[in-house]
Amino acid sequence: GAVVSQHPSWVICKSGTSVKIECRSLDFQATTMFWYRQFPKQSLMLMATSNEGSKATYEQGVEKDKFLINHASLTLSTLTVTSAHPEDSSFYICSAEGETGERDTQYFGPGTRLTVL
Amino acid sequence: RKEVEQDPGPFNVPEGATVAFNCTYSNSASQSFFWYRQDCRKEPKLLMSVYSSGNEDGRFTAQLNRASQYISLLIRDSKLSDSATYLCVVNNQAGTALIFGKGTTLSVSS
Repeated sequence: GAVVSQHPSWVICKSGTSVKIECRSLDFQATTMFWYRQFPKQSLMLMATSNEGSKATYEQGVEKDKFLINHASLTLSTLTVTSAHPEDSSFYICSAEGETGERDTQYFGPGTRLTVL
Repeated sequence: RKEVEQDPGPFNVPEGATVAFNCTYSNSASQSFFWYRQDCRKEPKLLMSVYSSGNEDGRFTAQLNRASQYISLLIRDSKLSDSATYLCVVNNQAGTALIFGKGTTLSVSS
């Protein structure tokens, strides 16, 4: 149980385009979803936290107008990287926390590798 | 002081060796502690939660020292498949998010 999926697994796009990444909790209801970014040889950096039906809370330094997060249901959150640039190339990982019985445990999606040319 | 600090390694050990990783955290109000494992270019996977009383899961033993704000992970009888990066993870002051260390890389060789 506690499976989180992400789509797409990898994407290559031209500079200036927008990219949408989906994160789904497949077998539990995710009250909270988290979006992380990881650059090579760096730790996961939390970008934002979203609760179903409310606005996401962004970490300091993360532009909310550039990284649009929608958490429309208890099983789906989306991250849209708007007007992507090469510096946005990174590994984007979502995680979900919910009624799994494990306190504070987040289950991670497989990640989306974004390359902006 | 960084929120979660780990020795990045790499730790290069032979099969069968015992290896220990350490981690320190800065927020004394943290209540939840974990070790995650991350394979190259993959997402982190929960290895084990860490409790004040210490806990063991097979070859893995985790310890927490709240007074010193120190967490450890011991791996006994290392296997080739243990090669990965081990992430020390602590929840934030508000208890609303997890803070990840940069990870310690382990390479087990035959």
